[in-house]
Amino acid sequence: KNEVEQSPQNLTAQEGEFITINCSYSVGISALHWLQQHPGGGIVSLFMLSSGKKKHGRLIATINIQEKHSSLHITASHPRDSAVYICAARGADGLTFGKGTHLIIQP
Amino acid sequence: GAGVSQSPSNKVTEKGKDVELRCDPISGHTALYWYRQSLGQGLEFLIYFQGNSAPDKSGLPSDRFSAERTGGSVSTLTIQRTQQEDSAVYLCASGMSSYNSPLHFGNGTRLTVT
Repeated sequence: KNEVEQSPQNLTAQEGEFITINCSYSVGISALHWLQQHPGGGIVSLFMLSSGKKKHGRLIATINIQEKHSSLHITASHPRDSAVYICAARGADGLTFGKGTHLIIQP
Repeated sequence: GAGVSQSPSNKVTEKGKDVELRCDPISGHTALYWYRQSLGQGLEFLIYFQGNSAPDKSGLPSDRFSAERTGGSVSTLTIQRTQQEDSAVYLCASGMSSYNSPLHFGNGTRLTVT
């Protein structure tokens, strides 16, 4: 079964800082998802990656299939980016979630 | 509808009662997942439907939990003889296929067992 590890578990940063959240997984996958969960619980899918890099606004996601590692970056962070960020690896046994990274951006 | 719809949004039930939670996926989505999130915990996979294939039930925590997906569309998650530890937010997500599409999440059903 796939093991998905995220780091850091908690991250507090100042507005404007560049943020990196890491995700590693143990077995080969077909895709990796980055999700955002705001207080109140709603979940939004940010990216789905199977290779390379994707960018949407201030968010960038990268994946290295050989190293079984993905990163989510936030440039020019803003307090509204405060949320829990979750990576989820999609493999033969379905979807395995990381425990999430709780990000707080202070003004 | 435009997104994944779950009902009810909140359910309070007494210990020992049965509950049914419903998920209406986006039309045409063949993959459907059920998850739950207990207070302060991460997401926990429960069950996964893909088209007409037999569902992957490997995440169901006990035989009190079951799920159906009728006609490849609407899904119901049934919890029999509810226990307090079943209290959680139950989330449904759907996608176009099992591997190569983004997932769309519903807003969840908050289940409280008293």
